[in-house]
Amino acid sequence: DAGVIQSPRHEVTEMGQEVTLRCKPISGHDYLFWYRQTMMRGLELLIYFNNNVPIDDSGMPEDRFSAKMPNASFSTLKIQPSEPRDSAVYFCASSGTGSSNQPQHFGDGTRLSIL
Amino acid sequence: SQQGEEDPQALSIQEGENATMNCSYKTSINNLQWYRQNSGRGLVHLILIRSNEREKHSGRLRVTLDTSKKSSSLLITASRAADTASYFCATVFNSGNTPLVFGKGTRLSVIA
Repeated sequence: DAGVIQSPRHEVTEMGQEVTLRCKPISGHDYLFWYRQTMMRGLELLIYFNNNVPIDDSGMPEDRFSAKMPNASFSTLKIQPSEPRDSAVYFCASSGTGSSNQPQHFGDGTRLSIL
Repeated sequence: SQQGEEDPQALSIQEGENATMNCSYKTSINNLQWYRQNSGRGLVHLILIRSNEREKHSGRLRVTLDTSKKSSSLLITASRAADTASYFCATVFNSGNTPLVFGKGTRLSVIA
């Protein structure tokens, strides 16, 4: 079975540019999570969806960040405009039905560097 | 903060030795989960223990939960170089239908 697929794996861009990160969850999973990982702050939950509907976006740091899930097999996290402090590894994870507290399956992340 | 806190932050042992990592949390939980993260990769789920359980095993892994002390431990027996990774605990608070809250992890190095 394919796991959670994220693209791109690495992104280097200049400050002010728009960045779009993509995620394909495991088929049949109805929860999708976006995280950001840094050395200083650890793993932070940004937003999560249930059945394509955003449930909690309180972790989204600023209005520059937005996330969408147009269908059950695709989600995007967009940063516009990007800033150097957004540099981090961004992970997408999905989990199965029942509740949001089930084991999560992570993609291998997108390493984002904003110059 | 509601997140679990792992202890120690880093641990270095010889191959064949046992490794013990601890996790403490502050509020009542529904369940607690342990994850492993290899360098440059995503987190991988290892084991889930529910609040009414005290101990679970999976291969060389043993997890205990003490809800009275609000703590959990992960024991890896007969460690191998391939166990080198960061280990995270993640807690689900008592309301149940809330997402995981991850700690900052323990970095384990197993030296061959």
